[in-house]
Amino acid sequence: DIVMTQSPLSLPVTPGEPASISCWSSQSLLHSNGYTYLDWYLQKPGQSPHLLIYLTSNRASGVPDRFSGSGSGTDFTLKISRVEPEDVGVYYCMQGLQTPLTFGGGTKVEIK
Amino acid sequence: EVQLVESGGGLVQPGGSLRLSCAASGFTFSDYTMHWVRQAPGKGLEFVAAITSNGGTTYYAHSVKGRFAISRDDSQNTLYLQMGSLRAEDMGVYYCARAWMQVGGPFDYWGQGTLVSVSS
Repeated sequence: DIVMTQSPLSLPVTPGEPASISCWSSQSLLHSNGYTYLDWYLQKPGQSPHLLIYLTSNRASGVPDRFSGSGSGTDFTLKISRVEPEDVGVYYCMQGLQTPLTFGGGTKVEIK
Repeated sequence: EVQLVESGGGLVQPGGSLRLSCAASGFTFSDYTMHWVRQAPGKGLEFVAAITSNGGTTYYAHSVKGRFAISRDDSQNTLYLQMGSLRAEDMGVYYCARAWMQVGGPFDYWGQGTLVSVSS
């Protein structure tokens, strides 16, 4: 199975400041079709998760452009250019290359 | 509007069984691979099972294989998870999710979840 690792575990942030979360996979998520199957989800307190970024760098519908995803192969990053108070929650990366699908352990973003 | 509504959760004794349902609306259910993802109390997300759009292929987490069965009824727009030989480690919120582009996701819609408790 592909192991997904996230860092940091917890990320205190100041509103208006940037934030960055890293995610690593135990093997490349690049498919032979050229797509890299790495997605990012945010689970706000008391809510179901929702999709932020798909295929490494594509923002999902309705996601503000302060969120961006990058990376390749086994190393990935989610960046928030200017954190807003509503961005608090737990962020998860997930590999969709092969089953069983696997998630990172999560990064809890909270306001300082 | 796309909606996924789970039901069927509850308290069950270790070794018992439970069937979860996920009622889908607002899209052509039969066109999509569907998943169950769970979250133990205070923990992260874990893939449980998936079923392809034609129901021909199913996938399971190692931890549930042989105990859980995923199925779908496209005529009723409903996804199911039959859970058996339940253990304490199966406790948590179970979400159904729609895989938007391919078998492995991404999950563009999630239900609100249904809580499964396993205790004597």
